Amino acid sequence: SQTIHQWPATLVQPVGSPLSLECTVEGTSNPNLYWYRQAAGRGLQLLFYSVGIGQISSEVPQNLSASRPQDRQFILSSKKLLLSDSGFYLCAWSVSTQGRQYFGPGTRLTVT
Amino acid sequence: RKEVEQDPGPFNVPEGATVAFNCTYSNSASQSFFWYRQDCRKEPKLLMSVYSSGNEDGRFTAQLNRASQYISLLIRDSKLSDSATYLCVVMAGGTSYGKLTFGQGTILTVHP
Repeated sequence: SQTIHQWPATLVQPVGSPLSLECTVEGTSNPNLYWYRQAAGRGLQLLFYSVGIGQISSEVPQNLSASRPQDRQFILSSKKLLLSDSGFYLCAWSVSTQGRQYFGPGTRLTVT
Repeated sequence: RKEVEQDPGPFNVPEGATVAFNCTYSNSASQSFFWYRQDCRKEPKLLMSVYSSGNEDGRFTAQLNRASQYISLLIRDSKLSDSATYLCVVMAGGTSYGKLTFGQGTILTVHP
């Protein structure tokens, strides 16, 4: 069966510090991968998606970037965090572009 | 107008009650529809897909009305464990990836 992992589970970082969140998927090949953010009191917003290694598309302009160095690895990064980057970051995967998406356990980021 | 709108809630019901959630979406080209459940500070988990013919999974029944761009979820015989936030989710058609748009969610609390 497929599983999705994210780490760290929680993170507290000062403004201006860098960020690296990791997501890995097991039990499937060539998944579509997604990064979402859920800010406090708001709905989930798609940040990035990837249909293959090295293929990243950004949904909204922001202070973040994403990379996919391996088939089942998806990384979310920032060079300098802003207060507004605080939120619950969720990685998701799907078998196909129109398939159901399954979420990882998430990383709760607080920027202070 | 938001792309996906849900009942504002919160809903507070006794065990055994029947509760219904409604959702409307604005993009008539939307092609896939889902209900996700999210427990406090956890990732969303897929509850069920929603099909035009309506579908049932145990105590849960989902309905879709494409003409009215309306989705519903009915929960019968509510359990304490049904307490969660229910997210109405729509997948846009005509894109090369599975873009999910989430409603704000409706909070359900089932009490003894």
